[in-house]
Amino acid sequence: DADVTQTPRNRITKTGKRIMLECSQTKGHDRMYWYRQDPGLGLRLIYYSFDVKDINKGEISDGYSVSRQAQAKFSLSLESAIPNQTALYFCATSPGSSDQPQHFGDGTRLSIL
Amino acid sequence: QKEVEQNSGPLSVPEGAIASLNCTYSDRVSQSFFWYRQYSGKSPELIMSIYSNGDKEDGRFTAQLNKASQYVSLLIRDSQPSDSATYLCAVNLGRAAGNKLTFGGGTRVLVKP
Repeated sequence: DADVTQTPRNRITKTGKRIMLECSQTKGHDRMYWYRQDPGLGLRLIYYSFDVKDINKGEISDGYSVSRQAQAKFSLSLESAIPNQTALYFCATSPGSSDQPQHFGDGTRLSIL
Repeated sequence: QKEVEQNSGPLSVPEGAIASLNCTYSDRVSQSFFWYRQYSGKSPELIMSIYSNGDKEDGRFTAQLNKASQYVSLLIRDSQPSDSATYLCAVNLGRAAGNKLTFGGGTRVLVKP
């Protein structure tokens, strides 16, 4: 079983719909992250959380919200999806120490028509 | 200037040759450096971590760090077609950047048989 699980793996939806992407982890890590990846733009950080009570905006948080329901769960919501949010979304986790790498889920491919 | 910069490539390498990838970063206080490999449509996979100046070898991969020059590199020896992927450099830019990783845009490597 994957240590960092993202659901759904693929989603096609229409403009204006509310969408939730979910991430769960069995690694016991405190820190969780949401990124989006667009061709030619690399990984861009949307939101991150260093523990259950800590939520921080990343570089592109507009149009997104998150919820850290438990240490193991971190969900990303698009309240009213728009076509330029079509992208590949990754969840990642890392231990509580700042010098540790992040470990990524398999990603969610989201298409908004 | 971007905080973490990589040449986007593609870097074309004959099979069996050495691929040399470079990454520069903007903040001298950075202490943690990582290389990830990403196949098209897949999630980033950690291949190397390096924390101190000098070389670190793991199988066919060698990471080199020079903090004075703010430069980290990755060498892939005996390149194989399966090494064809995008390689992402990630740097922890320290407390001022929220102790989170910042990713370069990636270098695409093509290994030709």
